[in-house]
Amino acid sequence: QSALTQPPSASGSPGQSVAISCTGISSDVDGYNYVSWYQQHPGKAPRLMIYEVTKRPSGVPDRFSGSKSGNTASLTVSGLQAEDEADYYCSSYGASGLFGGGTKLTVL
Amino acid sequence: EVQLVESGGGLVQPGGSLRLSCAASGFTFRRFWLSWVRQAPGKGLEWVANINQDGSVKNYLDSVRGRFTVSRDNAKNSLYLQISSLRAEDTAVYYCATDKGFLTHDYWGQGTLVIVSP
Repeated sequence: QSALTQPPSASGSPGQSVAISCTGISSDVDGYNYVSWYQQHPGKAPRLMIYEVTKRPSGVPDRFSGSKSGNTASLTVSGLQAEDEADYYCSSYGASGLFGGGTKLTVL
Repeated sequence: EVQLVESGGGLVQPGGSLRLSCAASGFTFRRFWLSWVRQAPGKGLEWVANINQDGSVKNYLDSVRGRFTVSRDNAKNSLYLQISSLRAEDTAVYYCATDKGFLTHDYWGQGTLVIVSP
C-alpha cells in the first residue's frame, strides 16, 4: 500500500482544467520539495511531467503545473486535450514506497 | 538523445532466477544514480532498487532485499538486476530509470516483462 494517496480517477472535458491530488505526511510531501509527477499512457513507459513540486522538464507543455500545500501536492492540467488521457503518478522523496497509487485521467 | 534499453525478461518458474540488463546511451552514465522500478499487470509503479554512481551504495525495497541484487558496469554503460528466488508476485514489467536526484526519475526505458509462473 502506497504512503501517498491519490484519487483513483479524475475526469474533465476538453478545454477544462482538472487537478489531481497527492496526499502524504509530514515526513514526505510536507517535509521535502521533491514531489514529482509522471504520466503513463497504456503500454508505455512513465514520463516525468513535473519535478521539485513545480518545475517542468523540457518538452512538457505549460498546461501542466504543480503545487503543494502542507502534506498535499497537486498536479493541474489546464486546457485538457485528448492526449492527456493517461494514468498519473505522484512521488515524493521520503515516502514509503515512493509512488502514489495512481490516478486515471479521463478526457470526456 | 538519452536511451535506456532493458532486456533479459521472460517466463520463469517460481524459485527461478533471471538477470535483467539495461543498456544506456546519450548521457554520461557514470555520473548518475540509477533505479529499477516495476509495475505488476494492471497495477501501479513500485520502486525496487537503486545504485549510486560508483556502485558502492545500493538500496532495496524490503520485499526484494536478499533476493535481488542491483549492479552496474560504468565501462559498458550498463545497469543490471539479478533477480532470484522468484515469486508470483514478482511478475511485472521492470523499468530502469535515471535518477536526477532525490529519487526523481527523468528518463525511463521501455521495460522488460518478467512472468513468474509454473
